[in-house]
Amino acid sequence: DTAVSQTPKYLVTQMGNDKSIKCEQNLGHDTMYWYKQDSKKFLKIMFSYNNKELIINETVPNRFSPKSPDKAHLNLHINSLELGDSAVYFCASSQDGRRGDIQYFGAGTRLSVL
Amino acid sequence: AQSVAQPEDQVNVAEGNPLTVKCTYSVSGNPYLFWYVQYPNRGLQFLLKYITGDNLVKGSYGFEAEFNKSQTSFHLKKPSALVSDSALYFCAVSGNQAGTALIFGKGTTLSVSS
Repeated sequence: DTAVSQTPKYLVTQMGNDKSIKCEQNLGHDTMYWYKQDSKKFLKIMFSYNNKELIINETVPNRFSPKSPDKAHLNLHINSLELGDSAVYFCASSQDGRRGDIQYFGAGTRLSVL
Repeated sequence: AQSVAQPEDQVNVAEGNPLTVKCTYSVSGNPYLFWYVQYPNRGLQFLLKYITGDNLVKGSYGFEAEFNKSQTSFHLKKPSALVSDSALYFCAVSGNQAGTALIFGKGTTLSVSS
């Protein structure tokens, strides 16, 4: 049973489209994250939610909107996709969001914008 | 600002030899340090962490890391490398802000030859 699951695994779409990526964790964790890994494999935090509340919003364009319907889910909606949005997006979760908490990652969603 | 540096893009070792993947950090206050591994087309997997206590931390798959405060380093080590250890390794530090996103180094590709 996968602890942190993301769907879809691959997403190929045209510029200007709107798309969503879903994430679910069954670990009972309170905190969830979205990270972006670019083509050079560099990983950077995008958002963090704790118990459905937004905690971190790094300088991410407004076209990216996270939604957390409950603490087990954190979805990422992207409007008006651009070429530069092509990347691998990772969802993660941790127990309480405290320093020292281990973060558990999903397998990633590879987004290709054509 | 918190940051980590991984000075090597790639480390090559022969199977059975010891391996070291280097990481240095820059933090304000006490560092909370992590190592993660990413296999091709997979999510990140936690290897080990240092919060406090013994400077030698043991983790998964026979890996260990040595925390050195004077050199601000947290190098990952393994006494005897396996071909299956070939992967991308990330050093990370826990941020200070609420939600404690991980701040990653650029990653080091480990290649173990048979």
